[in-house]
Amino acid sequence: EDQVTQSPEALRLQEGESSSLNCSYTVSGLRGLFWYRQDPGKGPEFLFTLYSAGEEKEKERLKATLTKKESFLHITAPKPEDSATYLCATSGTALIFGKGTTLSVSS
Amino acid sequence: GAGVSQSPSNKVTEKGKDVELRCDPISGHTALYWYRQRLGQGLEFLIYFQGNSAPDKSGLPSDRFSAERTGESVSTLTIQRTQQEDSAVYLCASIFRIAGGPTGEQFFGPGTRLTVL
Repeated sequence: EDQVTQSPEALRLQEGESSSLNCSYTVSGLRGLFWYRQDPGKGPEFLFTLYSAGEEKEKERLKATLTKKESFLHITAPKPEDSATYLCATSGTALIFGKGTTLSVSS
Repeated sequence: GAGVSQSPSNKVTEKGKDVELRCDPISGHTALYWYRQRLGQGLEFLIYFQGNSAPDKSGLPSDRFSAERTGESVSTLTIQRTQQEDSAVYLCASIFRIAGGPTGEQFFGPGTRLTVL
């Protein structure tokens, strides 16, 4: 059965304190690893798609990387506005989501 | 409109009543998905529509749940005889997708928060 596991469940950082979020997956025939950001009361907002091991993508303070078994979302020098829940998903007929990591960045 | 819209944004109902949730996808998007997000849980796939093909209903949790979509337009998700465990945020997403192709980036609506008393 395809599964996506994210860790940690919650992460508190000080502004400027870099860290990483983990997404491990077991999927037969990966057809994309997706990262989304979800703010309270809103639907998920697309961030990145990764398709093959070794691939990396960046957007502002975020960088996503992919290996054969896991993906990392690296946050460099975060700001309070980066506070959100970050969701990881793999692609089957629909997206298979992990439970997310809730990031809180304090100034 | 520019994005996926859903209505109502909030719905409070009594146990046993039927509810209907609506999703307006992005114009031109061929595929439409419904997901459920319970408190503290990940998004759970419910149903998928691709063009005029028969929908993939494999994620529907019970026969109380049903959904319709006419062509590539509006979709409605109906929950009959609601139960307290149906309380969740129901999210709709759309994408331009070729049948059999990868899911790709999905565009989500803001969701409908359903509370069953």
